[in-house]
Amino acid sequence: ETGVTQTPRHLVMGMTNKKSLKCEQHLGHNAMYWYKQSAKKPLELMFVYNFKEQTENNSVPSRFSPECPNSSHLFLHLHTLQPEDSALYLCASSQDLVVRDLQETQYFGPGTRLLVL
Amino acid sequence: QKEVEQNSGPLSVPEGAIASLNCTYSDRGSQSFFWYRQYSGKSPELIMFIYSNGDKEDGRFTAQLNKASQYVSLLIRDSQPSDSATYLCAAGGGNTPLVFGKGTRLSVIA
Repeated sequence: ETGVTQTPRHLVMGMTNKKSLKCEQHLGHNAMYWYKQSAKKPLELMFVYNFKEQTENNSVPSRFSPECPNSSHLFLHLHTLQPEDSALYLCASSQDLVVRDLQETQYFGPGTRLLVL
Repeated sequence: QKEVEQNSGPLSVPEGAIASLNCTYSDRGSQSFFWYRQYSGKSPELIMFIYSNGDKEDGRFTAQLNKASQYVSLLIRDSQPSDSATYLCAAGGGNTPLVFGKGTRLSVIA
């Protein structure tokens, strides 16, 4: 247990569905992240939030919409997804945006395995 | 563009051997370096951290850092089949979030 939880752990959705992924961290961290990891591919950073403000959006399609109501919660709203969006979606948090030492590194949640049919 | 480079592998080693995983980074402003292990279908977990030049040992793991060469490595002694996983190198300390490499897949053959 890293102190970062994600729900649901598995999700199957059709291309016309709307669903949301939830992430919660119990570590008192200020920064939260969404990553996408497709099969046998590297981590792709999607969004970064620092003190609830979005600081980075790595050219992610608008069918992915993040929301960060407070420093402990992060959502990823999904709508009209494509089959190629099927992947493991990982949430992570860190004390601060800039990592200088062990206490500031990122800790990952268990991920949501998403399948888009 | 700040980058962390790793050989994707797979790196195959026999059980009991030393596995050597390498990583280079482009940003000289990076100050701290992390190794994560990721089992198939699971999320990355932190296993080592280093910020000073030289070696840092923790059990069967040794991290090595050479800032002049911008090179980080992870040695796993007495490799076990349970060490088979993808190992991610990450660099931090610049003015951007942690930068991850693509990972090296390690296979330890029994």
